[in-house]
Amino acid sequence: QKEVEQNSGPLSVPEGAIASLNCTYSDRVSQSFFWYRQYSGKSPELIMSIYSNGDKEDGRFTAQLNKASQYVSLLIRDSQPSDSATYLCAVGRGFGNEKLTFGTGTRLTIIP
Amino acid sequence: DGGITQSPKYLFRKEGQNVTLSCEQNLNHDAMYWYRQDPGQGLRLIYYSQIVNDFQKGDIAEGYSVSREKKESFPLTVTSAQKNPTAFYLCASKPGTAYTIYFGEGSWLTVV
Repeated sequence: QKEVEQNSGPLSVPEGAIASLNCTYSDRVSQSFFWYRQYSGKSPELIMSIYSNGDKEDGRFTAQLNKASQYVSLLIRDSQPSDSATYLCAVGRGFGNEKLTFGTGTRLTIIP
Repeated sequence: DGGITQSPKYLFRKEGQNVTLSCEQNLNHDAMYWYRQDPGQGLRLIYYSQIVNDFQKGDIAEGYSVSREKKESFPLTVTSAQKNPTAFYLCASKPGTAYTIYFGEGSWLTVV
């Protein structure tokens, strides 16, 4: 079992719709969770971080965390063509453990 | 401008050669990291350093070496012992009290 698992996609979503990206993790003591967006040939850029169970909203993005079920998701509302990218889920133990473990990413395509 | 600078952006290496990738940050971040990304894959941790003159192996350290003589610099040497070095290399850094890491623009290494 991979430490951080994501559906590789591609996930195709019509423009204006909601894109839903999911991620599961295996380490129950994980405390920090991140979503990065990566355009082709570019480095990852941070979109959202979440540390507590529940939802966290930032503009069109909402991160959802459920530690009991060990999953974290990212919702993108009113999807735009510029949202087309690969989305990487990253998980950290926190508590001074500085390493993040990344999933392989989900490729998202927004269809105009 | 503040940020993480990686150089060179593109590098070609002949079989048997060592090459060094540069990473410099002026963000006064304590921790620095090197990740490797292969096409269609997630990020894998090579080495990381939380303080000057100290560093730890990540998940795929074999064939790589690093140094951390200055807080702002964390160069990565890809040695001839690394059998499949062609990849996208990402340097990252993090403030001491935070969980979030930030990436440089990356360096593409190709073996010819």
